[in-house]
Amino acid sequence: AQSVAQPEDQVNVAEGNPLTVKCTYSVSGNPYLFWYVQYPNRGLQFLLKYITGDNLVKGSYGFEAEFNKSQTSFHLKKPSALVSDSALYFCAVSKDSGAGSYQLTFGKGTKLSVIP
Amino acid sequence: NAGVMQNPRHLVRRRGQEARLRCSPMKGHSHVYWYRQLPEEGLKFMVYLQKENIIDESGMPKERFSAEFPKEGPSILRIQQVVRGDSAAYFCASSPGLAGGPDEQFFGPGTRLTVL
Repeated sequence: AQSVAQPEDQVNVAEGNPLTVKCTYSVSGNPYLFWYVQYPNRGLQFLLKYITGDNLVKGSYGFEAEFNKSQTSFHLKKPSALVSDSALYFCAVSKDSGAGSYQLTFGKGTKLSVIP
Repeated sequence: NAGVMQNPRHLVRRRGQEARLRCSPMKGHSHVYWYRQLPEEGLKFMVYLQKENIIDESGMPKERFSAEFPKEGPSILRIQQVVRGDSAAYFCASSPGLAGGPDEQFFGPGTRLTVL
């Protein structure tokens, strides 16, 4: 069975400082990894994904994530945080569970607060 | 190109009633996933459908829950005889179903079900 862990329920960072939201995963075989962001009372918005290739993945709104196979991690990063980045961030892992079903398994989410 | 649409956005039911949640995927998308988000938790996969077919229902409760995605019209998630524990946000996601790996899933705004 696949699983995702987001060890921090909340991350606080000052505006302009770099931010990191941590994610580790467990899956047999090659992982497909995703980051989504959720604003209050909204659906999830896709940020970026890792399927194969370069370990550093660049995504929307200046976010990037680094795939580390030896540490089974996929931490989300941004060089300079904005107040508007404050939201709930979800890491997810996917694999083909058969018949082409790439269901996502999500972590519990990390609430990011960027302090002006 | 309209995004994934879900209705109603909010639904209140009394115990024992039926709840019907609708999801219209993005134009050109033939794959639909349903997820449930309980309070203070991440999203949990429920079911994956393609047009007229249930492909993976491994996340669906064994009783009272059903889903369909007819040839014409939206996908429907149906909950019979609702109980208070069914109160949650239900999200639909669609993907184009490209061959060879997982697609980005595009999420709707969700339906927030409250069972009184």
